[in-house]
Amino acid sequence: DAGVTQSPTHLIKTRGQQVTLRCSPKSGHDTVSWYQQALGQGPQFIFQYYEEEERQRGNFPDRFSGHQFPNYSSELNVNALLLGDSALYLCASSFIVTATDTQYFGPGTRLTVL
Amino acid sequence: GNSVTQMEGPVTLSEEAFLTINCTYTATGYPSLFWYVQYPGEGLQLLLKATKADDKGSNKGFEATYRKETTSFHLEKGSVQVSDSAVYFCALKGGSEKLVFGKGTKLTVNP
Repeated sequence: DAGVTQSPTHLIKTRGQQVTLRCSPKSGHDTVSWYQQALGQGPQFIFQYYEEEERQRGNFPDRFSGHQFPNYSSELNVNALLLGDSALYLCASSFIVTATDTQYFGPGTRLTVL
Repeated sequence: GNSVTQMEGPVTLSEEAFLTINCTYTATGYPSLFWYVQYPGEGLQLLLKATKADDKGSNKGFEATYRKETTSFHLEKGSVQVSDSAVYFCALKGGSEKLVFGKGTKLTVNP
């Protein structure tokens, strides 16, 4: 049973560029959430996708956008990169129906903005 | 809004010592509570969870009990190993779908 996978593992960009991160959920899961984890901090919720729609959004600017595909995989896009966007980006998947559904995390994508 | 407060780290213990990492929360309603562990250079792994008051989550020798009266979910292990060295995150999931995390507690276990 494949777990949550993310690509790429590491990425280096310069300020002002755009980046796309990818996530494939755990088998049987239909919901994908994205989190940003700055160095030495806990993860912060960016947004969640279900049925190809953004279901909930955290306190992140519109430069952060996403997409979910019919096979439940997801992309996170960040435009006009800032130095402060350097972080570990974590994808988590879950099955929406269960009220106490547990989110399972991927290994993350380490983004460095120079 | 919902929030989680964890004890400040880092925590350094000798092998076979007793571990407690304190976690308290603020939430409306009845959240689910979680402990996640992050090993160096990796993502988060679910360690244990509890979904209602007085539930005890346990896994790999770790335990935590959902205490509604004290709004706490402290993590404990009777005898830590070097392989337990990692960062531990307490988290809650309330009425919304997002997880709210504490800042994490770094644990180092020395042989």
